[in-house]
Amino acid sequence: DAKTTQPNSMESNEEEPVHLPCNHSTISGTDYIHWYRQLPSQGPEYVIHGLTSNVNNRMASLAIAEDRKSSTLILHRATLRDAAVYYCILRDDNNAGNMLTFGGGTRLMVKP
Amino acid sequence: DGGITQSPKYLFRKEGQNVTLSCEQNLNHDAMYWYRQDPGQGLRLIYYSQIVNDFQKGDIAEGYSVSREKKESFPLTVTSAQKNPTAFYLCASSIRASGGPLGEQFFGPGTRLTVL
Repeated sequence: DAKTTQPNSMESNEEEPVHLPCNHSTISGTDYIHWYRQLPSQGPEYVIHGLTSNVNNRMASLAIAEDRKSSTLILHRATLRDAAVYYCILRDDNNAGNMLTFGGGTRLMVKP
Repeated sequence: DGGITQSPKYLFRKEGQNVTLSCEQNLNHDAMYWYRQDPGQGLRLIYYSQIVNDFQKGDIAEGYSVSREKKESFPLTVTSAQKNPTAFYLCASSIRASGGPLGEQFFGPGTRLTVL
């Protein structure tokens, strides 16, 4: 799977929007962009995924660049419960096994 | 409620002992996975199983073994051959592993293994 690059950490104020960037310059045409997050001492949970178009769900929005070499996870109003490590992952649908390759992720800190 | 359970939450083992970590899911998922996480690091794949009675090695399978005799169960054995077994172990499942929309992975709460 192609590699992703994320900042190690970011800070946000409570109730403000958060934009978490991810670079994936070597993305292939069949790679989906997935985001998971991991709260302290818990297993990761799925946040959102997309291929080409921007996506919205109850947790977040995913904005994908036109050339697909970068994407941004948007939390519209950060809460203290959103403090977690956010992982941006590329997954090739041709990849038998549905394996996810986790990098270091971005640790989001939310200040009250 | 449907989900994935892992037990125990904390496990202590003496050096040189084998230990088995439990993972059960009632989501009727075909695919199951084991990951290892070290402090401050991302997850690394140990083994995965696409279907009952089948499993494949992941990136760091040495010193580990698995079985998949039932669809809902995928236990992981950490053997004495694993040189540095102290870590956080996470089990996950997904609807399928190939042949169609793959779906998200659902993770269990994890087992924290400490070797004394």
